[in-house]
Amino acid sequence: DTGVSQDPRHKITKRGQNVTFRCDPISEHNRLYWYRQTLGQGPEFLTYFQNEAQLEKSRLLSDRFSAERPKGSFSTLEIQRTEQGDSAMYLCASSHGTGGNGYFGPGTRLTVT
Amino acid sequence: GQQLNQSPQSMFIQEGEDVSMNCTSSSIFNTWLWYKQDPGEGPVLLIALYKAGELTSNGRLTAQFGTTRKDSFLNISASIPSDVGIYFCAGQLGNNNDMRFGAGTRLTVKP
Repeated sequence: DTGVSQDPRHKITKRGQNVTFRCDPISEHNRLYWYRQTLGQGPEFLTYFQNEAQLEKSRLLSDRFSAERPKGSFSTLEIQRTEQGDSAMYLCASSHGTGGNGYFGPGTRLTVT
Repeated sequence: GQQLNQSPQSMFIQEGEDVSMNCTSSSIFNTWLWYKQDPGEGPVLLIALYKAGELTSNGRLTAQFGTTRKDSFLNISASIPSDVGIYFCAGQLGNNNDMRFGAGTRLTVKP
């Protein structure tokens, strides 16, 4: 399977704990995006990388959120001191630099209790 | 928050019927995308549109990029039960920009 993969698929954590999610993009894609999706809404942009450079961050990405893509391949999204409002589906997408289209992974569903 | 207005919010149709949904924006986009999402999964790209006025088909799906660059529609012909899901439109200003999504149209197809 050469699609976008995300791990884990589900995460349940207690409020205040830190969580980290991983995204492996399609191998030849140099752009990687993180989105958050809550029930009944479309995905909302969080941040994106071109290769290892983080080029844009949404104001939705508070100080508790950090994303990395150290070698320009896989990416991690960490949420520190989780809050109940962080409960959502976290989606990763990747694309070619010139293509512009995002191919999504299956998402990580986070539940903060 | 969402910058795209997608309508209708939901549709209940009989198998075999045609479906039309649309998306409007107050901003201009240079790319319009249509995705389908099944429960618990990520969105799957259906059609991408790159030029104002462009009409593109993918099987029973047809989408158009509005001439004002502020709207797009998606048609599904002869619906089947597996068309059930949530359809999202997304606009992208340029290759260096993220995608902005509508809130989705939930489609239910009755056999």
